[in-house]
Amino acid sequence: DQQVKQNSPSLSVQEGRISILNCDYTNSMFDYFLWYKKYPAEGPTFLISISSIKDKNEDGRFTVFLNKSAKHLSLHIVPSQPGDSAVYFCAASANTNAGKSTFGDGTTLTVKP
Amino acid sequence: NAGVTQTPKFRILKIGQSMTLQCTQDMNHNYMYWYRQDPGMGLKLIYYSVGAGITDKGEVPNGYNVSRSTTEDFPLRLELAAPSQTSVYFCASSSTSGGGQPQHFGDGTRLSIL
Repeated sequence: DQQVKQNSPSLSVQEGRISILNCDYTNSMFDYFLWYKKYPAEGPTFLISISSIKDKNEDGRFTVFLNKSAKHLSLHIVPSQPGDSAVYFCAASANTNAGKSTFGDGTTLTVKP
Repeated sequence: NAGVTQTPKFRILKIGQSMTLQCTQDMNHNYMYWYRQDPGMGLKLIYYSVGAGITDKGEVPNGYNVSRSTTEDFPLRLELAAPSQTSVYFCASSSTSGGGQPQHFGDGTRLSIL
């Protein structure tokens, strides 16, 4: 049973437009959610996170929204840039779980010039 | 400014061989993790450590062993390589166990078992 799901394997958007990446989770014990970005042949790098006590966190062009009742979060990138083309992983963790994170399968974002 | 360093970057093994994937971090992080990523999938936790001398199993530990004799190093051992262990392996570290703490990843070891 996959506890973190990213149902869209890929997403293609035009440069300058908004990219919206979605993530669903099933475990109500999760209280932190993180997004990582991964380029080919590199390790994932942390992008942005949100605590379960918040419904929005913003960092520059990146905003994460959390809907606890729906167990759904989304990452908005606006405006999208070609350099944003990468695989984006959603991850969830519980504060009492030794920092262990459960990852989704990732969404490959392609931003076309 | 090395962060998390993994060696080797690539390796081909024959079935039944053994090897150790090396991971070292220079950020003085207590928490370290080993993941594997299969094609088109997310990262699955193999083993983790909350400090020197303490290790525990993750989601997919079978066929692997780890040790943590120092804060810096967290090697992953494959004893009898099997084709199912063909994957990309990532080591990560974090400063605390707080759920919101991001993990810092190495660039991975791509391992093929033939």
